Amino acid sequence: GAVVSQHPSRVICKSGTSVKIECRSLDFQATTMFWYRQFPKQSLMLMATSNEGSKATYEQGVEKDKFLINHASLTLSTLTVTSAHPEDSSFYICSAARQGPYEQYFGPGTRLTVT
Amino acid sequence: GQQLNQSPQSMFIQEGEDVSMNCTSSSIFNTWLWYKQDPGEGPVLLIALYKAGELTSNGRLTAQFGITRKDSFLNISASIPSDVGIYFCAGQLGFGNEKLTFGTGTRLTIIP
Repeated sequence: GAVVSQHPSRVICKSGTSVKIECRSLDFQATTMFWYRQFPKQSLMLMATSNEGSKATYEQGVEKDKFLINHASLTLSTLTVTSAHPEDSSFYICSAARQGPYEQYFGPGTRLTVT
Repeated sequence: GQQLNQSPQSMFIQEGEDVSMNCTSSSIFNTWLWYKQDPGEGPVLLIALYKAGELTSNGRLTAQFGITRKDSFLNISASIPSDVGIYFCAGQLGFGNEKLTFGTGTRLTIIP
């Protein structure tokens, strides 16, 4: 149990376009999901905390108008990178928090390349 | 954002050797977690620690929650090829639905 999926696994887009990444908890409900960004050979940096039915909480330095997060149901959160630029190319990873035993489970990640 | 300091940054060992790595923070955390990440994948939880001083094992892995709540240690005994990867510690102020602060990572390589 406790499987989290992400779609797509890889995406290449042109500069200026928008890309949507989905994060789903497949076998549990997650009131809270998190979005991370990981650059090559670096650690995971939290971008935002997504709560079902409410606005996301963004970390300092993360542009909320550029990285739109929607958590419309207990099993789905989406991250939309708007007007993507090459510097947005990164590995985006989501996690979902399952209550009792209070653990977070990570998705397999989405590799975004902006050309 | 804040990151936890992990050491060593990388390790090159032979199969069968034991491995030790640690993670330190300038602030207190009430939960410590250890994850392993393979290339191109998301992190996988290895061990979760919830009490200061707690020592927890998961197979060949043993982790400890430092008594000061500002550090944690992970040991791997008798390393095998599938142990290769990047190990991250993560601290959490509360429980599962609170955000994680990740360490800088320790890259483990096994020399044939």
